[in-house]
Amino acid sequence: ETGVTQTPRHLVMGMTNKKSLKCEQHLGHNAMYWYKQSAKKPLELMFVYSLEERVENNSVPSRFSPECPNSSHLFLHLHTLQPEDSALYLCASSQDRQGWYEQYFGPGTRLTVT
Amino acid sequence: AQTVTQSQPEMSVQEAETVTLSCTYDTSESDYYLFWYKQPPSRQMILVIRQEAYKQQNATENRFSVNFQKAAKSFSLKISDSQLGDAAMYFCAYMRGAQKLVFGQGTRLTINP
Repeated sequence: ETGVTQTPRHLVMGMTNKKSLKCEQHLGHNAMYWYKQSAKKPLELMFVYSLEERVENNSVPSRFSPECPNSSHLFLHLHTLQPEDSALYLCASSQDRQGWYEQYFGPGTRLTVT
Repeated sequence: AQTVTQSQPEMSVQEAETVTLSCTYDTSESDYYLFWYKQPPSRQMILVIRQEAYKQQNATENRFSVNFQKAAKSFSLKISDSQLGDAAMYFCAYMRGAQKLVFGQGTRLTINP
């Protein structure tokens, strides 16, 4: 595997379910990100991890819980979601958080909450 | 807060022609970075081109170039000799230092054969 991978690619879950999204980067990067991409809205940054430490949380509801066990893996734990949480969830990584460094994106997980 | 605006939700161009995508942003900072990302249908988002605000020279990457007007806070993307593989959503983005990447709403580009 190369680049940034995400699993699953598609997920349908009920409002009472608990599920997790997984992201893995094979680039040796130090920063990882979760974004939410909804129709007709700009990408929204959810969380940033730098060297496995959460450095940013953009007022995301507590039903989304990130976890970064090491610099290569990032999880997004989901529970008691709402239909408006249906979206494409993108993971990204970069060598460093500084602006010049390109963010590499995964293919995303298409989440549907029923 | 910084904002990025892409006023063209959709654009289309004939294959082999040139198209320009518009982007404006709002910031009070003088040192920052600007990016254009491309998201093809059902494929991963990739970086197309980036510009450092302190550099007056416009960035170019093969058929892709930007027109960076710092005073006007404008950062347009020009695609020359458009190809079918250029069809995608294009996102303009702004970043300052280690702060978050702020994206515009995106422009869907269609290439007509």
